[in-house]
Amino acid sequence: DAKTTQPTSMDCAEGRAANLPCNHSTISGNEYVYWYRQIHSQGPQYIIHGLKNNETNEMASLIITEDRKSSTLILPHATLRDTAVYYCIVRGPYNTDKLIFGTGTRLQVFP
Amino acid sequence: NAGVTQTPKFRILKIGQSMTLQCTQDMNHNYMYWYRQDPGMGLKLIYYSVGAGITDKGEVPNGYNVSRSTTEDFPLRLELAAPSQTSVYFCASSSATGQSEKLFFGSGTQLSVL
Repeated sequence: DAKTTQPTSMDCAEGRAANLPCNHSTISGNEYVYWYRQIHSQGPQYIIHGLKNNETNEMASLIITEDRKSSTLILPHATLRDTAVYYCIVRGPYNTDKLIFGTGTRLQVFP
Repeated sequence: NAGVTQTPKFRILKIGQSMTLQCTQDMNHNYMYWYRQDPGMGLKLIYYSVGAGITDKGEVPNGYNVSRSTTEDFPLRLELAAPSQTSVYFCASSSATGQSEKLFFGSGTQLSVL
């Protein structure tokens, strides 16, 4: 599975959009991009995933570049409760043993 | 639905003791996983199961054992606890019915081995 590169930490003002980047330059054609987050010491929480097209749900939007080598998770109106570690993961279909979490991006939302 | 339930939430073991971390899910998911997370690090996969009676090793299986006798339960066994097993343990499940799957995690078990 492709490796991902994320910034170690980011800050965002409450109410502003938080844009979290992820590089996955070695991604292959059938690999999905997943985003999870972990608030404090809770279990990770699924946010969104995509293959080629941009995706949006009630939590966030996922923008994947045309060459699929990078993506951005967008939290449109960050709140203090969005302070968490965000993990970008790339994995192929039916590949159950390779959901690999790196160290992620620590997002701090400030008032 | 309760989702994925882990017990206990906290436990302190002495070196050489054994224990079982319990995990149960009520979503009828066929896939279940055990991860460990050391301080400041990401999650590492210990074992996983694709259905009752089927288990396989992940990245860091040494020192652990699992079983999957039912769809709902996936216990993790530590036979001879060592300080290196001090960590937070997360159980997860997924349905994996299509080409993509999303994992649902439990709230974790914080284990200290002294």
